[in-house]
Amino acid sequence: AQSVTQLGSHVSVSEGALVLLRCNYSSSVPPYLFWYVQYPNQGLQLLLKYTTGATLVKGINGFEAEFKKSETSFHLTKPSAHMSDAAEYFCAVSRNYGGSQGNLIFGKGTKLSVKP
Amino acid sequence: IAGITQAPTSQILAAGRRMTLRCTQDMRHNAMYWYRQDLGLGLRLIHYSNTAGTTGKGEVPDGYSVSRANTDDFPLTLASAVPSQTSVYFCASSDSWHEQFFGPGTRLTVL
Repeated sequence: AQSVTQLGSHVSVSEGALVLLRCNYSSSVPPYLFWYVQYPNQGLQLLLKYTTGATLVKGINGFEAEFKKSETSFHLTKPSAHMSDAAEYFCAVSRNYGGSQGNLIFGKGTKLSVKP
Repeated sequence: IAGITQAPTSQILAAGRRMTLRCTQDMRHNAMYWYRQDLGLGLRLIHYSNTAGTTGKGEVPDGYSVSRANTDDFPLTLASAVPSQTSVYFCASSDSWHEQFFGPGTRLTVL
Protein backbone atom coordinates (compact mmCIF):
# COMPACT_ATOMS: atom_id res chain seq x y z
CA ALA A 1 0.00 0.00 0.00
CA GLN A 2 1.18 3.49 -0.73
CA SER A 3 1.34 6.27 1.85
CA VAL A 4 2.69 9.75 2.37
CA THR A 5 4.10 11.28 5.54
CA GLN A 6 4.72 14.98 5.91
CA LEU A 7 6.96 15.79 8.84
CA GLY A 8 5.71 18.83 10.71
CA SER A 9 2.16 20.07 10.51
CA HIS A 10 3.37 23.65 10.91
CA VAL A 11 6.63 25.25 9.80
CA SER A 12 7.56 28.86 10.48
CA VAL A 13 10.40 30.71 8.75
CA SER A 14 11.56 34.29 8.48
CA GLU A 15 11.25 36.15 5.21
CA GLY A 16 14.38 35.48 3.16
CA ALA A 17 15.18 32.23 4.95
CA LEU A 18 15.35 28.76 3.43
CA VAL A 19 12.09 26.85 3.19
CA LEU A 20 12.29 23.09 3.71
CA LEU A 21 9.11 21.01 3.83
CA ARG A 22 9.63 17.30 4.31
CA CYS A 23 7.80 14.47 2.59
CA ASN A 24 8.44 10.75 2.75
CA TYR A 25 6.49 8.17 0.84
CA SER A 26 6.09 4.44 0.65
CA SER A 27 5.32 2.73 -2.61
CA SER A 28 5.79 -0.75 -4.01
CA VAL A 29 5.99 0.61 -7.54
CA PRO A 30 7.88 3.57 -9.01
CA PRO A 31 5.89 6.53 -7.77
CA TYR A 32 4.68 9.70 -9.33
CA LEU A 33 5.09 12.44 -6.74
CA PHE A 34 3.48 15.83 -6.43
CA TRP A 35 3.50 18.96 -4.32
CA TYR A 36 0.36 21.06 -4.21
CA VAL A 37 -0.16 24.43 -2.55
CA GLN A 38 -3.40 25.70 -1.04
CA TYR A 39 -3.88 29.36 -0.27
CA PRO A 40 -6.58 30.31 2.23
CA ASN A 41 -10.11 29.59 1.03
CA GLN A 42 -8.92 28.28 -2.31
CA GLY A 43 -8.52 24.94 -4.04
CA LEU A 44 -5.23 23.12 -4.54
CA GLN A 45 -2.75 24.22 -7.18
CA LEU A 46 0.06 22.09 -8.54
CA LEU A 47 3.52 23.35 -7.55
CA LEU A 48 5.61 20.64 -9.17
CA LYS A 49 5.68 16.96 -10.02
CA TYR A 50 8.08 14.09 -10.50
CA THR A 51 7.19 11.37 -12.98
CA THR A 52 10.37 10.05 -14.58
CA GLY A 53 13.77 11.39 -15.59
CA ALA A 54 15.62 14.13 -13.75
CA THR A 55 15.27 13.72 -10.01
CA LEU A 56 15.51 17.44 -9.28
CA VAL A 57 12.33 19.10 -10.43
CA LYS A 58 11.59 22.79 -10.51
CA GLY A 59 8.17 24.25 -10.02
CA ILE A 60 6.41 27.55 -9.88
CA ASN A 61 7.27 30.41 -7.55
CA GLY A 62 10.90 29.31 -7.14
CA PHE A 63 10.16 25.99 -5.47
CA GLU A 64 11.98 22.79 -6.25
CA ALA A 65 12.02 19.22 -4.97
CA GLU A 66 14.37 16.30 -5.27
CA PHE A 67 13.27 12.69 -5.61
CA LYS A 68 15.57 10.47 -3.57
CA LYS A 69 14.66 6.86 -4.08
CA SER A 70 17.15 5.55 -1.50
CA GLU A 71 15.59 7.79 1.16
CA THR A 72 12.01 7.49 -0.17
CA SER A 73 11.83 11.26 0.10
CA PHE A 74 10.56 14.17 -1.96
CA HIS A 75 11.33 17.25 0.12
CA LEU A 76 10.25 20.68 -1.08
CA THR A 77 12.66 23.61 -0.88
CA LYS A 78 12.90 27.28 -1.72
CA PRO A 79 16.10 29.24 -1.11
CA SER A 80 14.44 32.44 0.10
CA ALA A 81 10.96 32.64 1.59
CA HIS A 82 8.56 35.39 0.63
CA MET A 83 5.54 36.53 2.56
CA SER A 84 3.33 35.34 -0.30
CA ASP A 85 4.55 31.76 0.27
CA ALA A 86 2.43 31.49 3.40
CA ALA A 87 0.00 28.68 2.62
CA GLU A 88 -0.61 25.00 3.23
CA TYR A 89 1.44 22.52 1.24
CA PHE A 90 0.46 18.96 0.43
CA CYS A 91 2.66 16.17 -0.80
CA ALA A 92 0.94 13.44 -2.79
CA VAL A 93 1.75 10.15 -4.48
CA SER A 94 -0.27 8.65 -7.29
CA ARG A 95 -1.61 5.16 -7.06
CA ASN A 96 -3.47 2.65 -9.12
CA TYR A 97 -6.79 2.46 -7.31
CA GLY A 98 -8.73 -0.39 -8.80
CA GLY A 99 -7.56 0.57 -12.25
CA SER A 100 -8.30 4.25 -11.94
CA GLN A 101 -5.76 6.53 -13.45
CA GLY A 102 -3.87 8.87 -11.22
CA ASN A 103 -5.74 8.63 -7.93
CA LEU A 104 -3.69 10.54 -5.40
CA ILE A 105 -2.83 9.80 -1.79
CA PHE A 106 -2.23 13.03 0.08
CA GLY A 107 -0.18 13.77 3.13
CA LYS A 108 -1.87 15.61 5.96
CA GLY A 109 -0.37 18.92 4.94
CA THR A 110 2.17 21.38 6.30
CA LYS A 111 1.13 24.92 7.02
CA LEU A 112 3.93 27.36 6.22
CA SER A 113 4.06 30.68 8.05
CA VAL A 114 6.47 33.42 6.98
CA LYS A 115 7.51 36.05 9.51
CA PRO A 116 8.54 39.52 8.39
CA ILE B 1 -13.50 29.88 -18.76
CA ALA B 2 -11.36 26.77 -18.58
CA GLY B 3 -11.35 24.88 -15.34
CA ILE B 4 -13.62 23.38 -12.71
CA THR B 5 -16.60 25.04 -11.11
CA GLN B 6 -18.32 23.91 -7.94
CA ALA B 7 -21.64 24.93 -6.48
CA PRO B 8 -22.67 26.04 -3.99
CA THR B 9 -19.70 27.86 -2.50
CA SER B 10 -20.98 27.14 0.96
CA GLN B 11 -24.06 25.63 2.54
CA ILE B 12 -25.54 25.11 5.97
CA LEU B 13 -27.74 22.03 6.07
CA ALA B 14 -29.97 20.43 8.67
CA ALA B 15 -29.14 16.84 9.57
CA GLY B 16 -31.24 14.36 7.66
CA ARG B 17 -31.63 16.56 4.60
CA ARG B 18 -30.56 15.53 1.12
CA MET B 19 -27.91 17.63 -0.61
CA THR B 20 -26.22 17.53 -4.00
CA LEU B 21 -22.90 19.24 -4.58
CA ARG B 22 -22.33 20.14 -8.19
CA CYS B 23 -19.10 19.94 -10.14
CA THR B 24 -18.54 20.84 -13.79
CA GLN B 25 -15.35 20.85 -15.83
CA ASP B 26 -14.79 22.14 -19.34
CA MET B 27 -11.40 20.56 -20.01
CA ARG B 28 -12.86 17.32 -21.41
CA HIS B 29 -10.94 15.31 -18.83
CA ASN B 30 -11.88 11.66 -18.58
CA ALA B 31 -11.30 11.23 -14.85
CA MET B 32 -13.01 13.12 -12.04
CA TYR B 33 -12.74 12.89 -8.28
CA TRP B 34 -14.40 14.03 -5.08
CA TYR B 35 -12.35 14.68 -1.95
CA ARG B 36 -13.18 15.92 1.49
CA GLN B 37 -10.72 18.02 3.45
CA ASP B 38 -10.73 17.99 7.23
CA LEU B 39 -8.34 19.73 9.58
CA GLY B 40 -5.34 17.57 10.31
CA LEU B 41 -6.43 14.81 7.95
CA GLY B 42 -5.50 16.23 4.58
CA LEU B 43 -7.63 15.26 1.59
CA ARG B 44 -9.41 11.94 1.44
CA LEU B 45 -10.93 10.47 -1.69
CA ILE B 46 -14.68 9.88 -1.55
CA HIS B 47 -15.53 8.65 -5.05
CA TYR B 48 -13.96 8.77 -8.46
CA SER B 49 -14.90 8.25 -12.08
CA ASN B 50 -12.49 7.07 -14.76
CA THR B 51 -14.80 7.99 -17.61
CA ALA B 52 -18.40 8.90 -18.28
CA GLY B 53 -20.71 6.10 -17.22
CA THR B 54 -18.37 4.58 -14.62
CA THR B 55 -17.76 5.35 -10.95
CA GLY B 56 -15.76 3.84 -8.12
CA LYS B 57 -15.41 4.09 -4.35
CA GLY B 58 -12.55 5.86 -2.66
CA GLU B 59 -11.34 5.76 0.93
CA VAL B 60 -14.42 7.28 2.59
CA PRO B 61 -17.48 6.55 0.41
CA ASP B 62 -20.08 5.81 3.09
CA GLY B 63 -23.01 8.23 3.07
CA TYR B 64 -22.16 9.59 -0.38
CA SER B 65 -23.14 8.69 -3.93
CA VAL B 66 -22.07 9.97 -7.33
CA SER B 67 -23.11 9.71 -10.95
CA ARG B 68 -21.33 10.44 -14.20
CA ALA B 69 -23.90 10.83 -16.96
CA ASN B 70 -21.54 12.82 -19.20
CA THR B 71 -17.91 13.92 -19.36
CA ASP B 72 -18.39 17.36 -17.85
CA ASP B 73 -20.51 16.82 -14.73
CA PHE B 74 -19.84 14.81 -11.58
CA PRO B 75 -22.38 15.55 -8.83
CA LEU B 76 -21.93 14.30 -5.28
CA THR B 77 -25.07 13.49 -3.27
CA LEU B 78 -25.52 13.17 0.46
CA ALA B 79 -28.76 11.22 0.80
CA SER B 80 -29.29 12.01 4.49
CA ALA B 81 -26.68 14.40 5.86
CA VAL B 82 -25.07 13.85 9.26
CA PRO B 83 -22.89 16.26 11.29
CA SER B 84 -19.75 14.20 10.58
CA GLN B 85 -20.12 15.18 6.94
CA THR B 86 -19.31 18.78 7.85
CA SER B 87 -16.23 19.43 5.73
CA VAL B 88 -14.81 21.21 2.72
CA TYR B 89 -15.43 19.27 -0.47
CA PHE B 90 -13.19 19.50 -3.50
CA CYS B 91 -13.85 18.22 -6.98
CA ALA B 92 -10.91 17.49 -9.28
CA SER B 93 -10.33 16.22 -12.79
CA SER B 94 -7.47 14.65 -14.70
CA ASP B 95 -6.66 13.29 -18.13
CA SER B 96 -3.43 11.54 -17.14
CA TRP B 97 -1.33 10.31 -14.25
CA HIS B 98 0.47 13.61 -14.21
CA GLU B 99 -1.80 16.17 -12.66
CA GLN B 100 -5.20 16.73 -11.10
CA PHE B 101 -6.93 20.08 -11.41
CA PHE B 102 -9.00 21.20 -8.45
CA GLY B 103 -12.12 23.27 -8.10
CA PRO B 104 -12.49 26.04 -5.51
CA GLY B 105 -14.35 23.86 -3.03
CA THR B 106 -17.71 23.76 -1.25
CA ARG B 107 -17.82 24.41 2.48
CA LEU B 108 -20.62 22.31 3.99
CA THR B 109 -21.88 22.55 7.54
CA VAL B 110 -24.37 19.97 8.79
CA LEU B 111 -26.19 20.90 11.98
